[in-house]
This record gives sequence, C-alpha cells and structure tokens, in this order.
Amino acid sequence: AQRVTQPEKLLSVFKGAPVELKCNYSYSGSPELFWYVQYSRQRLQLLLRHISRESIKGFTADLNKGETSFHLKKPFAQEEDSAMYYCALIKRSNDYKLSFGAGTTVTVRA
Amino acid sequence: NAGVTQTPKFRVLKTGQSMTLLCAQDMNHEYMYWYRQDPGMGLRLIHYSVGEGTTAKGEVPDGYNVSRLKKQNFLLGLESAAPSQTSVYFCASTTAGVYNEQFFGPGTRLTVL
Repeated sequence: AQRVTQPEKLLSVFKGAPVELKCNYSYSGSPELFWYVQYSRQRLQLLLRHISRESIKGFTADLNKGETSFHLKKPFAQEEDSAMYYCALIKRSNDYKLSFGAGTTVTVRA
Repeated sequence: NAGVTQTPKFRVLKTGQSMTLLCAQDMNHEYMYWYRQDPGMGLRLIHYSVGEGTTAKGEVPDGYNVSRLKKQNFLLGLESAAPSQTSVYFCASTTAGVYNEQFFGPGTRLTVL
C-alpha cells in the first residue's frame, strides 16, 4: 500500500528565510505527487503537481525517486505562506484516489 | 459556479444520533470523495464514487454510509454517531485523469458529544 510521510507537524520560520517541507513516500509503482495547501479559513487547494515542474507562489518541489522524496521549498518565506501543507500521492488507477500525509503547519513570523 | 458546496457547515450531535452531510458540485465531475481531517492524521478517505450510482469504501469507512443518486450530489450518512466521529469532513470532486486537481468543499465541522 502507498504511504506518505510528512515528518514535521509544525514549522516556524522568519520572513525572508528559506523554508523546506519534507515529504517522503512509499509506493511500489510510479507515483504522481502533489502539494495541497489550506490557508486559514479557506478550503484546501492544489499548490503544485510534480508533473508540471512549475513554480507556484515561489514554491518548487522536486521528485527524487532514489530517496522517494518530494520536498517543497521556497527560498524566501512570506507571511502569507503561513498555512497547512499536505503532500499527496495518487496511484495510476482509474479511481484517482489521493493518499495524504499528516500535514505540516507552517508559521512565518515577521 | 459555486464549485463544491457542503451542508451543513457545523453540527453538534449526541452519541447515537444520525445525520446526513450533503456535498454538491456544479462542475459535472464524475468522481467524488469524502474525507475526514483529524489533527496529526491528515486527510483520510472515507468513501468515494467514480460515477452516478456507484460508491466504494475508502481507508476508514466504518460507521459511515454514502449514496450517489445524482451525479452532482454525494451524501455521507452517520447512522449512529460516536464521539470518535468528531472531525472536520471534506468533500472533493474531480474529473478523470491522474494529473487532475481535486476540488474541495469548505468542510463540515462535526462534534459528537
């Protein structure tokens, strides 16, 4: 069975400092990985997906199949980045179910 | 478009009571999901549906039932609520495709006393 691990429950950084959220996965097949974000009093929304290899709001994530990791990084954190972040994995099956990690709450301090 | 909506937003139940949570989407999505969100556990899939008239069990289905009589609606039922079902419940929907985004509702905060 697939599993997504986010080892940090809480992460606190100062504004302008780099931030890295760790995500490790276990899956026997070829996974597709995502980062979802939930800002305060907002609904969960997609931040970025591995396949797009894009930078969203300054965040990037690189899939490292050797280390089975998909860490999320931003070089200069902003206060508006304070949120709950979830790493998620989808199997290549026809039900498109997501498996989520436990989430990391990020607080960016001024 | 309203996207994904959930009714109600909040509810307090007593142990043993029943209730139904309604999820509605206006995006013509085939796939719908019910999750529960608990501190330190992330989102866990309760039940899901791959199309109108179909439902399937997710990771934590015990104590819940679902129905998808109409494509746009996905109902989650608690027949006899227990304190362990105190949680925030999220509904989501998507279209076919492994890269597609799941769109989430605003959540229902349920407390079972």
